[in-house]
Amino acid sequence: EPEVTQTPSHQVTQMGQEVILRCVPISNHLYFYWYRQILGQKVEFLVSFYNNEISEKSEIFDDQFSVERPDGSNFTLKIRSTKLEDSAMYFCASAGTGNEKLFFGSGTQLSVL
Amino acid sequence: GESVGLHLPTLSVQEGDNSIINCAYSNSASDYFIWYKQESGKGPQFIIDIRSNMDKRQGQRVTVLLNKTVKHLSLQIAATQPGDSAVYFCAERTYSSASKIIFGSGTRLSIRP
Repeated sequence: EPEVTQTPSHQVTQMGQEVILRCVPISNHLYFYWYRQILGQKVEFLVSFYNNEISEKSEIFDDQFSVERPDGSNFTLKIRSTKLEDSAMYFCASAGTGNEKLFFGSGTQLSVL
Repeated sequence: GESVGLHLPTLSVQEGDNSIINCAYSNSASDYFIWYKQESGKGPQFIIDIRSNMDKRQGQRVTVLLNKTVKHLSLQIAATQPGDSAVYFCAERTYSSASKIIFGSGTRLSIRP
């Protein structure tokens, strides 16, 4: 069964450093998403992406965040200058033509020290 | 507003019994609802969805009920099994923000042998 893959599974970084989280969505999907989940809390929407542009973003997704689909297979989330409060599990998701049934990856656990 | 929440944070059921997980939502403009299952260390997994023009939908061992009058959503799991142990999230989407699925707070379901 096709799946969304995310790398790395764990990322440790120093506060103020830039990080790039990588995702390979399901190959024929058109809609891409990033969510995050702080330990023990709910899954929070960050951004959705379609047709090479951001469709929607949340208040969390400020100027420190950016997304990119650099080629036909990868979807990345960049945090320019990480803060302690950016520590969370980051999930990538993709959806097909219906933009409804989201398939999630296993996440990247980001720890900012 | 965009508020999707759950009545109970934890639910413990006997193996073989039916489980009912409840969810309240506040946005009357929401037109699509989804239940996700999240096992430890994994991303959310789609279980079942329902549109606002329906009040019941059944899947394999799962049923979702939607009561728009009181803005209430429930997930029923028949003959609960140990593999059903997970955190369950309800999520919603509004027609005006079709690419933004918002998650509720989650209910942890544990199964007693």
